[in-house]
Amino acid sequence: QQQVKQSPQSLIVQKGGISIINCAYENTAFDYFPWYQQFPGKGPALLIAIRPDVSEKKEGRFTISFNKSAKQFSLHIMDSQPGDSATYFCAASREGGAQKLVFGQGTRLTINP
Amino acid sequence: DAGVIQSPRHEVTEMGQEVTLRCKPISGHNSLFWYRQTMMRGLELLIYFNNNVPIDDSGMPEDRFSAKMPNASFSTLKIQPSEPRDSAVYFCASSLGRDRGGQPQHFGDGTRLSIL
Repeated sequence: QQQVKQSPQSLIVQKGGISIINCAYENTAFDYFPWYQQFPGKGPALLIAIRPDVSEKKEGRFTISFNKSAKQFSLHIMDSQPGDSATYFCAASREGGAQKLVFGQGTRLTINP
Repeated sequence: DAGVIQSPRHEVTEMGQEVTLRCKPISGHNSLFWYRQTMMRGLELLIYFNNNVPIDDSGMPEDRFSAKMPNASFSTLKIQPSEPRDSAVYFCASSLGRDRGGQPQHFGDGTRLSIL
């Protein structure tokens, strides 16, 4: 029940295309859903996050879509650029659980020029 | 502003040796997290502290692992004795911890540990 399942494991997109990464969770107590971006040799860095009171959040080229009834959320990267090539992790945590994040397995995204 | 600082960046040691990983959180942050990252298991939370007190160590693999936070600006993760299966990248993260979740965690660049 604590798992967050992420797909796909790897993704190749052409420059200018849309990259889509999906996550699903079971624990309905989760109420905070961040996405982290990790470059080789670096630690993960917060990219964008959403709470379940909204169905979509957009920051620049990055958008989170959230479907509470389906217990799914996804990251969309519009106009994907080679600099977006990285590993992306979705995560979830619940209020009252301090900030114990449960991470998905990660998606290695490659943007071809 | 300085981010989370971890040392060493790389550590190579022989099986059975004691390993100590160090972390300096961002000044003013009162929650600190230790994670382990491997290809097989992804990012796993090992332990986290709030106001220097360990809150949840359920992710610590076994008694060979221990973590301390003697003050707000320093934490250690110790493995004794080390084993080859402990080889991984260990991350430290910190955040402005509150009872409510949703505070961004800021990660260091990790310590790549190799146990021969």
